[in-house]
Amino acid sequence: GAVVSQHPSWVICKSGTSVKIECRSLDFQATTMFWYRQFPKQSLMLMATSNEGSKATYEQGVEKDKFLINHASLTLSTLTVTSAHPEDSSFYICSARGQGSGANVLTFGAGSRLTVL
Amino acid sequence: GENVEQHPSTLSVQEGDSAVIKCTYSDSASNYFPWYKQELGKRPQLIIDIRSNVGEKKDQRIAVTLNKTAKHFSLHITETQPEDSAVYFCAASISSNSGYALNFGKGTSLLVTP
Repeated sequence: GAVVSQHPSWVICKSGTSVKIECRSLDFQATTMFWYRQFPKQSLMLMATSNEGSKATYEQGVEKDKFLINHASLTLSTLTVTSAHPEDSSFYICSARGQGSGANVLTFGAGSRLTVL
Repeated sequence: GENVEQHPSTLSVQEGDSAVIKCTYSDSASNYFPWYKQELGKRPQLIIDIRSNVGEKKDQRIAVTLNKTAKHFSLHITETQPEDSAVYFCAASISSNSGYALNFGKGTSLLVTP
C-alpha cells in the first residue's frame, strides 16, 4: 500500500529559529499533499493544500509567510515553520493523495512533534 | 466550506458491546466519507470509507452508514475489543481529480474496558 514518510518525527528548537519538516511519498506519486496541525486531544486542522509545481493554498487564518510550503516534486513536500515561537508547538501531520484509483484516499505521515522553547 | 460535527466526544463501552459514532456534514456536494482511527501519538489510519452512491458498507466488525438526505453518517463497531480503544475521526470531502482536502470532525475518544 501507499506509504508516506515524514521527517523528523520530533524536533525541539529555540524560539526564533526555523524548522523544516519533510513529507515524502515512498511508493507513489503524490499530486497533492496536505498539511495538518493537531493540538493535544484535538482534531486535525487543515493548514494548507500543496500541489506539485504550484503555490500552496492556505486555509483561512494560516500565515503563509510563517508556514512556508514547497512541493517541488511529485514525491516531496516540505513545511518550514519560520521564526518559530512557543505557540507554534504542535503535532504537524502531512498527508498525500495519490493518482488514478487511489486519488481519493489520503495516506498520512507519522507526524512531527515540534516543541519550541 | 464544509463543517463536520461529530458526537460523542468520548465513549466508554464494555468489551463485547457495540459502539456507535455519529457525524453530520453541511456541504451537500460532499461525496466521500472516510473514518480514521488514531492511537496515541500515531498517525491516523483509514479504517473504512463510504461514497455517496452507497448507503452502507461493512468490513468485519466495522460498518458505516450514510444518509445523504439528512447529511449524516455513522460508524458502527460490533463486538468491541480493548484494542479498539483509540480516537476515531470522521471526515467529509468532495471527491474529484483536483484533490479536495478532508474536513475532519473533532474526534471521539473510544475506551473499551475489559
